[in-house]
Amino acid sequence: KQEVTQIPAALSVPEGENLVLNCSFTDSAIYNLQWFRQDPGKGLTSLLLIQSSQREQTSGRLNASLDKSSGRSTLYIAASQPGDSATYLCAVDSGGGADGLTFGKGTHLIIQP
Amino acid sequence: GAGVSQTPSNKVTEKGKYVELRCDPISGHTALYWYRQSLGQGPEFLIYFQGTGAADDSGLPNDRFFAVRPEGSVSTLKIQRTERGDSAVYLCASSKGTSGSGEDEQFFGPGTRLTVL
Repeated sequence: KQEVTQIPAALSVPEGENLVLNCSFTDSAIYNLQWFRQDPGKGLTSLLLIQSSQREQTSGRLNASLDKSSGRSTLYIAASQPGDSATYLCAVDSGGGADGLTFGKGTHLIIQP
Repeated sequence: GAGVSQTPSNKVTEKGKYVELRCDPISGHTALYWYRQSLGQGPEFLIYFQGTGAADDSGLPNDRFFAVRPEGSVSTLKIQRTERGDSAVYLCASSKGTSGSGEDEQFFGPGTRLTVL
């Protein structure tokens, strides 16, 4: 059974810093990996999707990498801003639709102004 | 176009009652998923539809939970004899295609917060 772990569980940094969020998964047979953002009381916003054949994806100040063989992904946020404060969730798709996405518990990020 | 919508946004019910939660996916998306998220946890998969049929319902916790998607668009999650442990946020997601199709990015709705008293 696929398991996803996110480290750290919480992170607080001053505005302007670059930071890295980590995600690991136990079964490397995945179709893709998605990073999401969740604001308090809200749904999930898709940030980046990396297909299993890809190594990284970039969107603005965000860069996500995938090392499928080692079961790891990182989300890099450059020049952090207070508006980046949210919970970041990593999810893997292992089953062709079956089982849906398997999520980690998330990293709760606070950017201090 | 519009994103995934879910109604109601909040539902409070009493233990033992029946509830229905509705999901309206992005137009043209054939795959639809239901998840449940408890406080402090990531979402957990409940059921997946490809078109009108439930391709995988392995995540449904027990037979009190049932979901339909009769015309391949809107879906309803139905919970019978609700229990306090059913309290959670129920999220719906849709994607244009299935895993590995290259069109498998899942887009989520805002969720329905269910509270069972």
